[in-house]
Amino acid sequence: DSGVTQTPKHLITATGQRVTLRCSPRSGDLSVYWYQQSLDQGLQFLIQYYNGEERAKGNILERFSAQQFPDLHSELNLSSLELGDSALYFCASSPTRGLSYEQYFGPGTRLTVT
Amino acid sequence: GENVEQHPSTLSVQEGDSAVIKCTYSDSASNYFPWYKQELGKRPQLIIDIRSNVGEKKDQRIAVTLNKTAKHFSLHITETQPEDSAVYFCAAGDFNQFYFGTGTSLTVIP
Repeated sequence: DSGVTQTPKHLITATGQRVTLRCSPRSGDLSVYWYQQSLDQGLQFLIQYYNGEERAKGNILERFSAQQFPDLHSELNLSSLELGDSALYFCASSPTRGLSYEQYFGPGTRLTVT
Repeated sequence: GENVEQHPSTLSVQEGDSAVIKCTYSDSASNYFPWYKQELGKRPQLIIDIRSNVGEKKDQRIAVTLNKTAKHFSLHITETQPEDSAVYFCAAGDFNQFYFGTGTSLTVIP
């Protein structure tokens, strides 16, 4: 158990719908990262938040957005869903201090768009 | 942004043999190179990492080498065991963000 929690574990929805994925980082970690993992792709970096502010942006679609709240939990919002958005979405957190750059991954949310 | 290529995509070795996975990256500004292991149905976990001021790092049966001039780095696993079977991802970037390669599925045959 990494200490990072994600809800829900599984999500099945229809095309065109909107969903919200939630992530709680490890206690004390200020950085949260979101990744998308689909079968034919590796781990695609989507976005990073640090202490409530967007820090870095990767290959995130305009239909996707994220935020980090004052209690440091984060939400990833996916809208106008398409079949190709079906994937495993991971959240990771990192202390971003000291000598460790390690990102601790949550268990993931498996999204199925039908 | 950074582009990380990883080879091979699949690798099968006999138990006890060595396994080598290679990655190349495009951005010369990248200074952090972690390797993550993902077992089937589980989350990725860091197994070793290296920073650009170091050429080689070893941790028991696992070692990573980095050639900044050529922009490539490699993972070496010696004396492989069945529990080493997993997907391995390399990544390159900095502490803010790093980009993953497409993964290598390693199978260790008992």
